[in-house]
Amino acid sequence: QLQLQESGPGLVKPSETLSLTCTVSGGSISSSSYYWGWIRQPPGKGLEWIGSIYYSGSTYYNPSLRSRVTISVDTSKNQFSLKLSSVTAADTAVYYCARHWGVYSSSSNRDYWGQGTLVTVSS
Amino acid sequence: QLVLTQSPSASASLGASVKLTCTLSSGHSSYAIAWHQQQPEKGPRYLMKLNSDGSHSKGDGIPDRFSGSSSGAERYLTISSLQSEDEADYYCQTWGTDIWVFGGGTKLTVL
Repeated sequence: QLQLQESGPGLVKPSETLSLTCTVSGGSISSSSYYWGWIRQPPGKGLEWIGSIYYSGSTYYNPSLRSRVTISVDTSKNQFSLKLSSVTAADTAVYYCARHWGVYSSSSNRDYWGQGTLVTVSS
Repeated sequence: QLVLTQSPSASASLGASVKLTCTLSSGHSSYAIAWHQQQPEKGPRYLMKLNSDGSHSKGDGIPDRFSGSSSGAERYLTISSLQSEDEADYYCQTWGTDIWVFGGGTKLTVL
């Protein structure tokens, strides 16, 4: 079964860059027709899509975060990563990585979520 | 603009059934959605993808008690024979060619 695991610092200072990595096991990140994404959840609030990357390397970002977000893939390590620059306290959230549905997904797709990692922005 | 609307809360009794609703914004009634469950203090869990014709594809190990249906711009999640562990937040999600959107979530209380 596919498993995803987030990793990275749990504390980031304001104005710095948040960096997280998602390690995928039980399947290849470069398999055709899959989308890999980052979603966050501020404390006590709902889910917010941050951005995604298709197996081909195409990236898609939430318009409200686009200027600060970069998502990339390292196929040799079966990982994909998130960088969010110029963070503020409003970026404090649990960050999830996931494989998820998209327009060009195969009909055999099923979504999978990581367990999430809390990132706090504070000096 | 692609938007999903969910009622903030719902409740039903143990052993009963409940139907949660997710409404697609105007002009998007043909879109598929996905339903996700988030139990307290846990990460989300994929339940199913639900198409506009009501067909759906469930995640691994999702019980038959969970089913989906569609009508126009409405997408439904029905949970039958409610159990205590079904008390959770339920989120719907949809996508366009370059954007993904979540609904605000429905908090289900099992009485």
